[in-house]
Amino acid sequence: AQKVTQAQTEISVVEKEDVTLDCVYETRDTTYYLFWYKQPPSGELVFLIRRNSFDEQNEISGRYSWNFQKSTSSFNFTITASQVVDSAVYFCALDNTDKLIFGTGTRLQVFP
Amino acid sequence: DTGVSQDPRHKITKRGQNVTFRCDPISEHNRLYWYRQTLGQGPEFLTYFQNEAQLEKSRLLSDRFSAERPKGSFSTLEIQRTEQGDSAMYLCASSSWTEDYSPLHFGNGTRLTVT
Repeated sequence: AQKVTQAQTEISVVEKEDVTLDCVYETRDTTYYLFWYKQPPSGELVFLIRRNSFDEQNEISGRYSWNFQKSTSSFNFTITASQVVDSAVYFCALDNTDKLIFGTGTRLQVFP
Repeated sequence: DTGVSQDPRHKITKRGQNVTFRCDPISEHNRLYWYRQTLGQGPEFLTYFQNEAQLEKSRLLSDRFSAERPKGSFSTLEIQRTEQGDSAMYLCASSSWTEDYSPLHFGNGTRLTVT
C-alpha cells in the first residue's frame, strides 16, 4: 500500500530560524515521484518541488532545500531563515499510479 | 493562462439537496482531477479524466457522486442527496500529459457546507 506520513502536526518558529519538515513514505514500487505542496491561508495548493525515485540528489532553491533518502524512505524539506510569509500548511505527496497520495500536512507558523 | 478556476467558491446547502460544482482547467492541460479535503487532512483523490475519458474513480466516490468532462475541457462534479458528511473542500487540479508525473496545478477549491 502507498502511504505518506507527516508526523509533525504543527511547528512554530520565530522568524529567521531554520525549520525542517519531515516526510516518510511507503511504497512497494521502484518508480515513483515525490512532491511538496504549500497551502497558504488562501487555500490554493502551490507546487514546490517534484523528485523522482531515481534521483537522490538534494536540491536547493533559494531558502528551500530538500533531502531525499531512499534508504530511510524520507523526503524532508528545510526552510532556511524562515519568514512570516512561509506560514502555511505544507503537504508531502507520493505519485506512482497517476494520482497523488497526500500526507496529513504540517502547519508551520512563523512569528515575527 | 489564468490557472485552474473553480465555481462557486462556497456553497451552503441543506441535507438532501443536489449540488454541482464546476472546474475550468488550464487550457492546454488534458488531465483533470477532483480531490476532497476535510479539516486537518490532506486532499483525498476522488477521480480523474484524461481528455473526456474518466480513467479512475476512488472507492470514496459513492453512487451519489458523479463527475463529467463532456468535451475534454471543463468538468462538473455533482453530489446528489447531500449528507452532512459531504461537507468539505472540493479541489480540482489539472496537468499536462506530455510527460509522466507532471505536477498538478490546483484551483482554490469549492467549500461545501451541508446543514
